[in-house]
Amino acid sequence: SQTIHQWPATLVQPVGSPLSLECTVEGTSNPNLYWYRQAAGRGLQLLFYSVGIGQISSEVPQNLSASRPQDRQFILSSKKLLLSDSGFYLCACMLGGYYEQYFGPGTRLTVT
Amino acid sequence: AQRVTQPEKLLSVFKGAPVELKCNYSYSGSPELFWYVQYSRQRLQLLLRHISRESIKGFTADLNKGETSFHLKKPFAQEEDSAMYYCALRDAYSGAGSYQLTFGKGTKLSVIP
Repeated sequence: SQTIHQWPATLVQPVGSPLSLECTVEGTSNPNLYWYRQAAGRGLQLLFYSVGIGQISSEVPQNLSASRPQDRQFILSSKKLLLSDSGFYLCACMLGGYYEQYFGPGTRLTVT
Repeated sequence: AQRVTQPEKLLSVFKGAPVELKCNYSYSGSPELFWYVQYSRQRLQLLLRHISRESIKGFTADLNKGETSFHLKKPFAQEEDSAMYYCALRDAYSGAGSYQLTFGKGTKLSVIP
């Protein structure tokens, strides 16, 4: 079965600093991959998705970018963090005949 | 555009009481609906999908296309049911292989002992 890893688990960064969050998937090949931000009272907001290496689609214009350098690796980045980038970031992959998504443990980002 | 609405941010029930978490959707096509659950300090996980017509941990959900609803129900709440619940919708015929999910804002269920 598939396993989704995310790191770091928690991160505290100052405003204006760069960001790199990593997501890796084991146990499957060529998965669809997704980045979400989860905020209290706002649910899950889809940020980016990828259907293959080098293929990134952005759902929400913002200060963030994503890349997929390898089949099972998905990276969320920023050149300069804003306070509003604070939140809980979830990586997910799509598997199964019913196309449900499986989620990683998440990264708690606090921008100070 | 598709939309998922969970009208209750917080729902508190006593142990043994029935539970109903509401979910309404707005979509003109043929949707697939899911319920996800997030227990304290655990990752978000799939609870059930409408297409399977299954009962998981005593929970069931029926897709009502006439009312565009997919409410989650359980006849007798347990303390371990306390968690955050998200309703999600996927376009059954979405193109480009993206298979995106649209999530509601979630309902926090608190079961009082």
